[in-house]
Amino acid sequence: SQQGEEDPQALSIQEGENATMNCSYKTSINNLQWYRQNSGRGLVHLILIRSNEREKHSGRLRVTLDTSKKSSSLLITASRAADTASYFCATDAGNTDKLIFGTGTRLQVFP
Amino acid sequence: SAVISQKPSRDICQRGTSLTIQCQVDSQVTMMFWYRQQPGQSLTLIATANQGSEATYESGFVIDKFPISRPNLTFSTLTVSNMSPEDSSIYLCSSQIRRDTEAFFGQGTRLTVV
Repeated sequence: SQQGEEDPQALSIQEGENATMNCSYKTSINNLQWYRQNSGRGLVHLILIRSNEREKHSGRLRVTLDTSKKSSSLLITASRAADTASYFCATDAGNTDKLIFGTGTRLQVFP
Repeated sequence: SAVISQKPSRDICQRGTSLTIQCQVDSQVTMMFWYRQQPGQSLTLIATANQGSEATYESGFVIDKFPISRPNLTFSTLTVSNMSPEDSSIYLCSSQIRRDTEAFFGQGTRLTVV
């Protein structure tokens, strides 16, 4: 079952614009992670934010976490055509070891 | 970090046959998992591969259909048994060194059942 739901399902922007993706989840978590997937291949880890953190940065990526609302957002600034991919949030579902993935956002960046 | 080699990268199989997918990690890891990703969808966890014991399956997945082995800390296999066209998906293995760390993924196996 999906722990997280993401919106939008799809997002199309021009190069240079910012892209924001949102993730909502259902149960308490220890951490939330964001992953990127190109063309149905393996996933690449982008960033991990712990439940006691509110914001984290990595290069052009900014992730926020609001545990009271059970939601997170991923912001990609100054997007590039190479950012075109699907982006997934994943949570550790509380006391379990497994990662449960959200529904994903397909991002298309036009040059 | 960990590098995961998964093979085959793709296969086209006849219905009723079985396919075994291999996943090799370049370092010892505590946790290994198998996911299925149907076309255009997110990842669904099939099972946790437990070293030296039976895998832990998620709801909707059973050992007879998806037998999993994990003989040591760096290697696991997933078999898709008695395949039907509905099994056409990408199958991915992942590993984590421990809880609360990033997961590393293989490149996936794109399976088409005809």
